[in-house]
Amino acid sequence: GNSVTQMEGPVTLSEEAFLTINCTYTATGYPSLFWYVQYPGEGLQLLLKATKADDKGSNKGFEATYRKETTSFHLEKGSVQVSDSAVYFCALRGSQGNLIFGKGTKLSVKP
Amino acid sequence: DVKVTQSSRYLVKRTGEKVFLECVQDMDHENMFWYRQDPGLGLRLIYFSYDVKMKEKGDIPEGYSVSREKKERFSLILESASTNQTSMYLCASSLINMNTEAFFGQGTRLTVV
Repeated sequence: GNSVTQMEGPVTLSEEAFLTINCTYTATGYPSLFWYVQYPGEGLQLLLKATKADDKGSNKGFEATYRKETTSFHLEKGSVQVSDSAVYFCALRGSQGNLIFGKGTKLSVKP
Repeated sequence: DVKVTQSSRYLVKRTGEKVFLECVQDMDHENMFWYRQDPGLGLRLIYFSYDVKMKEKGDIPEGYSVSREKKERFSLILESASTNQTSMYLCASSLINMNTEAFFGQGTRLTVV
């Protein structure tokens, strides 16, 4: 069945450091892929998405590229800020339309 | 602005009570979902619905039921609340188009005592 595996945290970085959060998936076909972010005490917000192979999603300095060869969708940011501290979820759209999530990666950025 | 609204941010209920969690979306979305979020387990799908009066079981439907009488409203029901249902509950909605994202409510933190 469909599943998403992402690196477990927590991840602690200093401000302006480079961020990578790994995400790999198992799926039938080529589902749309998403990164969501959850700030403390809030629901999930879409960060970026990619709907087909080799697509690059980007938003607020974050990027992720849909790699069908490696079934991956790693999240990257060149220079993190304290305000990026949050929990990040990788997800795919399942065949029934539901979103299937990884377990989340908590990021803490120190000044 | 698109919106998914959950009726309560925080809820405290007693064991054995019947609990209703309400969710309303204003985007005319076909799909609606209920997830449960627990530390270390991520988000797990309880139930979803792709049309009025239609429902499908997710990964963890035991102890829950749902109701979708109108397109914009999707209710999660705990028939007899138990302490292991203490959790964060998240409602979401989406278009039926598989390339689109889901929009989430702010979550309901339910504590069963």
